[in-house]
Amino acid sequence: AQSVTQLGSHVSVSEGALVLLRCNYSSSVPPYLFWYVQYPNQGLQLLLKYTTGATLVKGINGFEAEFKKSETSFHLTKPSAHMSDAAEYFCAVTNLAGGTSYGKLTFGQGTILTVHP
Amino acid sequence: DADVTQTPRNRITKTGKRIMLECSQTKGHDRMYWYRQDPGLGLRLIYYSFDVKDINKGEISDGYSVSRQAQAKFSLSLESAIPNQTALYFCATSDPARDAGANVLTFGAGSRLTVL
Repeated sequence: AQSVTQLGSHVSVSEGALVLLRCNYSSSVPPYLFWYVQYPNQGLQLLLKYTTGATLVKGINGFEAEFKKSETSFHLTKPSAHMSDAAEYFCAVTNLAGGTSYGKLTFGQGTILTVHP
Repeated sequence: DADVTQTPRNRITKTGKRIMLECSQTKGHDRMYWYRQDPGLGLRLIYYSFDVKDINKGEISDGYSVSRQAQAKFSLSLESAIPNQTALYFCATSDPARDAGANVLTFGAGSRLTVL
């Protein structure tokens, strides 16, 4: 079985401040991890992904995330928030090694990011 | 044109009515999915299909059915809609063979369904 927990349903930051969105996962096999972003009235877009290899992954719009196996975490960060970053962010996990969760993406509850001027 | 197109984008219906949400894709992907989004619950998987002859239930399939009419088309039906099926529904596609096995999903813009 696999699951994702996002800590904090709402995060508010000032423009130019650090963005930190937290994600912890549970998976019985090595996970593939994703962050998706949803802008108002739109579908979800891939922000970044971790499959194998380097644990620090960079995505679009200056976001990055670090896979920490010992902490079962995949937190999303951006050094300096921009007004255009305001959106809802979803962490997700899947595995392609087999089992009942094979090929299925499980999402966290989502975190709404608000950026203040 | 969008890679994944969902119709209708918005629908208001009454309890007990049959509703069909349609999804078509031009990505050429074999895998298609239907998710439901509710505030504070994220996205939950309703049904998924890895090819035309393969249909599988997700975590919340009760009250829903699907049809994979072709590689490019995957429709979701609510046989008798009820108010707690009011939600935003997303269709998605993927093809692990094309993205080094990562199984990245491409989403449609969503279909907002309200059941009165």
